[in-house]
Amino acid sequence: DAGVTQSPTHLIKTRGQQVTLRCSPISGHKSVSWYQQVLGQGPQFIFQYYEKEERGRGNFPDRFSARQFPNYSSELNVNALLLGDSALYLCASSLRTENYGYTFGSGTRLTVV
Amino acid sequence: GNSVTQMEGPVTLSEEAFLTINCTYTATGYPSLFWYVQYPGEGLQLLLKATKADDKGSNKGFEATYRKETTSFHLEKGSVQVSDSAVYFCALSARSNDYKLSFGAGTTVTVRA
Repeated sequence: DAGVTQSPTHLIKTRGQQVTLRCSPISGHKSVSWYQQVLGQGPQFIFQYYEKEERGRGNFPDRFSARQFPNYSSELNVNALLLGDSALYLCASSLRTENYGYTFGSGTRLTVV
Repeated sequence: GNSVTQMEGPVTLSEEAFLTINCTYTATGYPSLFWYVQYPGEGLQLLLKATKADDKGSNKGFEATYRKETTSFHLEKGSVQVSDSAVYFCALSARSNDYKLSFGAGTTVTVRA
């Protein structure tokens, strides 16, 4: 069985540009969450989606948005990129939103120059 | 709010040494506790978990016991290998926080041959 897959694996963008990151959850998992991991720090929660509805949002500006599709895959969009948005963006899927534990993808490394 | 504090690194050990990484938490209600491991250039992998007080999670020779009285979940391994070199994250999730994961800052462990 495929795990959580994320694309692209690496990305370089210029300040002010927009970026879209993609995530496919484990088959059967209906919940997808996004985390930002800045170098040397622990991951920080950005969004959680379940059954295509937003179930939680972390302390991130409105430049960050996301959505979940009928097949439970998800996209994370970041507008007006700043240098500080450079990070590893991790997607995690779980069966539901309750405490079943999360499986993470390998992440997308975003570099803003 | 919910938070995790874990031992700062980096930690450098010789092969076959004993490893312990301290983790304490603050949470409302009864969280589940996790240890995740991140190898260089990769995403997060769930190492072990415990969902209620006095539970012991174990995997690959690693162990951690959920201690409610001391709000701790320390990670231990009796004999480390070079392949255990990684960053280790303690995390919690709780119903009070919609089950999103709250991570510690991570502890870098390097094992020398």
